[in-house]
Amino acid sequence: DTGVSQDPRHKITKRGQNVTFRCDPISEHNRLYWYRQTLGQGPEFLTYFQNEAQLEKSRLLSDRFSAERPKGSFSTLEIQRTEQGDSAMYLCASSLDSPGGYTFGSGTRLTVV
Amino acid sequence: GENVEQHPSTLSVQEGDSAVIKCTYSDSASNYFPWYKQELGKRPQLIIDIRSNVGEKKDQRIAVTLNKTAKHFSLHITETQPEDSAVYFCAASKRGNNDMRFGAGTRLTVKP
Repeated sequence: DTGVSQDPRHKITKRGQNVTFRCDPISEHNRLYWYRQTLGQGPEFLTYFQNEAQLEKSRLLSDRFSAERPKGSFSTLEIQRTEQGDSAMYLCASSLDSPGGYTFGSGTRLTVV
Repeated sequence: GENVEQHPSTLSVQEGDSAVIKCTYSDSASNYFPWYKQELGKRPQLIIDIRSNVGEKKDQRIAVTLNKTAKHFSLHITETQPEDSAVYFCAASKRGNNDMRFGAGTRLTVKP
């Protein structure tokens, strides 16, 4: 598979629990992005990695959110103490150039109940 | 920072008609403008993009035009087909800026 993979596809969690999502980008892409998408809206930028370095973070990324890309390959996004407002689709994307077109994963749909 | 606005939010056309979606951006330094198509429950997919050194780009039934002076760009779909029905997003970015900004999306419905 040469696309961007995300796991899990769906996650239902109780408020206050921690969740972790994984993204496997296209192997040749050194740039990796996390976006959040709510119903009826375009994707909103969360954070960006170039190789293993996290170079940019949106102010949307509160201190409950943390992202890592330890070996410059896959990335994880963790949300601690989830809130109902965290319910959204979390999209991962990767690219080779900047600026350049992203290849998105299928996303992880998070529902906080 | 960059702000991207997209119009209309919904668009319904008859099969075979043309569809036009417009976006404006605020940062005159933006130089890369992609368009994504997102079908229900699926990932956004890049369908066409344009860089600021070009005024128009075409790929079969899809074209994008860019007016740098007015800071707006448009997606044109000709001879629409029911499978063109989806949500379309425009976006803007620039070199050195890694938080590509997306419009709110246009839900296009092509009626057979």
